[in-house]
Amino acid sequence: QVQLQESGPGLVKPSGTLSLTCAVSGGSISSSDWWSWVRQPPGKGLDWIGEVSHSGSTNYPPSLKSRVTLSVDKSRNHFSLKLTSVTAADTAVYYCARYDSSSYGLDVWGPGTTVTVSS
Amino acid sequence: DIQMTQSPSSLSASVGDRVTITCRASQSINSYLNWYQQKPGKAPKLLIYGSSSLQSGVSSRFSGSGSWTDFTLTISSLQTEDFATYFCQQSYSSPRTFGQGTRVEIK
Repeated sequence: QVQLQESGPGLVKPSGTLSLTCAVSGGSISSSDWWSWVRQPPGKGLDWIGEVSHSGSTNYPPSLKSRVTLSVDKSRNHFSLKLTSVTAADTAVYYCARYDSSSYGLDVWGPGTTVTVSS
Repeated sequence: DIQMTQSPSSLSASVGDRVTITCRASQSINSYLNWYQQKPGKAPKLLIYGSSSLQSGVSSRFSGSGSWTDFTLTISSLQTEDFATYFCQQSYSSPRTFGQGTRVEIK
């Protein structure tokens, strides 16, 4: 059974870069077509950040495309998120999730990690 | 981007009530509509995919319907553990946008 776990700094300075990693356990990162990131600002809804395929293809929302980079490391069985030029608006719980290409849903989620942007 | 609009934003209901939440897409998404349940401090959980298919392990009191632009999530008989926030998401195209959420509270 695939499990996901996010990791990375909980505090990032304004204008800095937010970097998170999602470790995949219980299965190979190559076993699923797409891997996703979703965030949730405090008290708000879910915001889709993007997705990366096991071969490295990516999809991003236009609102974040200039600042976000997703990547896959097959040797470490993990995928990563980098978000540049962060502001307080990027403060959120960040979730990684598996996009199941048979159901077209996000069927496995990590527990989430809180990232605060503050000086 | 495809905009997803849920209604209501919140509702109060009692245990045993039948609850219906709607989700409308700004353009046709065929049946590429998912529903998630989220409890405080927890990650979302996939309930329904493809508009009406029940995710493995999810109670049969949850059901989904709809196609093209209008979709519905129904809880046939609300249980204590169902008090949560529900989100719809379209997986028709990128960006895979979410609705703003519907909070189901105890009356």
